[in-house]
Formats: sequence, structure tokens, C-alpha cells
Amino acid sequence: NAGVTQTPKFRILKIGQSMTLQCAQDMNHNYMYWYRQDPGMGLKLIYYSVGAGITDKGEVPNGYNVSRSTTEYFPLRLELAAPSQTSVYFCASSYLQGAIVFHNEQFFGPGTRLTVL
Amino acid sequence: ELKVEQNPLFLSMQEEKNYTIYCNYSTTSDRLYWYRQDPGKSLESLFVLLSNGAVKQEGRLMASLDTKARLSTLHITAAVHDLSATYFCAVDLTSGTYKYIFGTGTRLKVLA
Repeated sequence: NAGVTQTPKFRILKIGQSMTLQCAQDMNHNYMYWYRQDPGMGLKLIYYSVGAGITDKGEVPNGYNVSRSTTEYFPLRLELAAPSQTSVYFCASSYLQGAIVFHNEQFFGPGTRLTVL
Repeated sequence: ELKVEQNPLFLSMQEEKNYTIYCNYSTTSDRLYWYRQDPGKSLESLFVLLSNGAVKQEGRLMASLDTKARLSTLHITAAVHDLSATYFCAVDLTSGTYKYIFGTGTRLKVLA
């Protein structure tokens, strides 16, 4: 299994440009997450998804959009990039089943380092 | 406001010394996770603590959870240089959304 993969690894955008960060997982996980990590800081949740076709906002959703048409893929769209979006973006996935959740260990991708100039 | 606070934020310690990292959280939760992040790398799961009183150990690291005190500790025994990394705790909101709130992180440097 490749686990959680992300592309690209690095990207430089100009202010106002748009791009999509790709995320894929091959573990058949139903939950997927997008986080951003600013330098020297913890992770902030941008969006998450509990399954194909279902997404919801996290702590810092402004300026981003997501979609999830399949279990495997969870792309993050940046519209009108701004310098405040310079960060490292991590995608993660986990598997939860049933009404009683016993475990929610998240598996992280390698990250995408984005700079907006 | 939900908060997950770690202390210390930075820790520089000598090899072979012991130390404890603390993780306090402000919401009700009975699931807490510890992750390790090496510089420029992604996060790697260390421990999953799923109930009050849970204790997990792996090598020189031991994690515990006290849900009544809303406190988790990560204890380092006889530190070695390879443990140098940033350690994050994360609290799983049990409101049905299964979202994490991450702590601020503790940057550990073990000096030879």
C-alpha cells in the first residue's frame, strides 16, 4: 500500500492564481482531512470528509474548497491565492466504523509546501 | 473556545535524562493521540489513548491519559539523540464529528 499520497510536493503561486492540491489514499479509509501547518505551529483543520459526497468545514476553511466524489481522492482547491495561504498542507485519512468509535488514528501524507508571492 | 495546550513548547535536554511533556485540553474527550514530526517531514502516529487511565509504552516513550484532569503526559526515559523531533498531542472531539484539535507542539532537542 502506498498509504496517503500528495501532489505536488512544492509549489509557488502568484497572488490571485488558483490551484488544486491532490490527495489520494489506498487504504479504503472513509474519513479524510486537510490540514495546514504554518511555520513553527501546530496543525489547523481546513476541511474534512466522512465519505464520498460528504464534506464539512474545519477551523480555517476560508479561501479553500473541497470535493470528494470517490473514497480514494480528496482534492483541495485554492481560489485566488493570497500570501496568508503560504503554508505546508497535509492530507490525512482514518477509518471509523459503526456507532461506537474505538479508534481514530490518522495517517498523514508527506505534505505539499506552498508559497504564495 | 476549545484549546489543547502543550508545555513546554521547547525542550533541550541532555542524553540519558528523563523528562515529561504535558498536554492539557479544555473539552470533554476520552481519546487522545500523540504524533511525532521530524523537521520537514510528515506526522507519524506514536500512541493512541482511548480511555481514562490508559498507558502506552514504546521504547523510551510512555504516554498516559487522565480524562478527569483533561491531561495527558508523554514521558521520556533516558533520552537519546534520535528522539529529537516535535511532538504533538491531538484531542478527538467526541461530539460525533471525529475531528482532531492539535496541540501547539513541543520541540524536543536532545543534546549529545
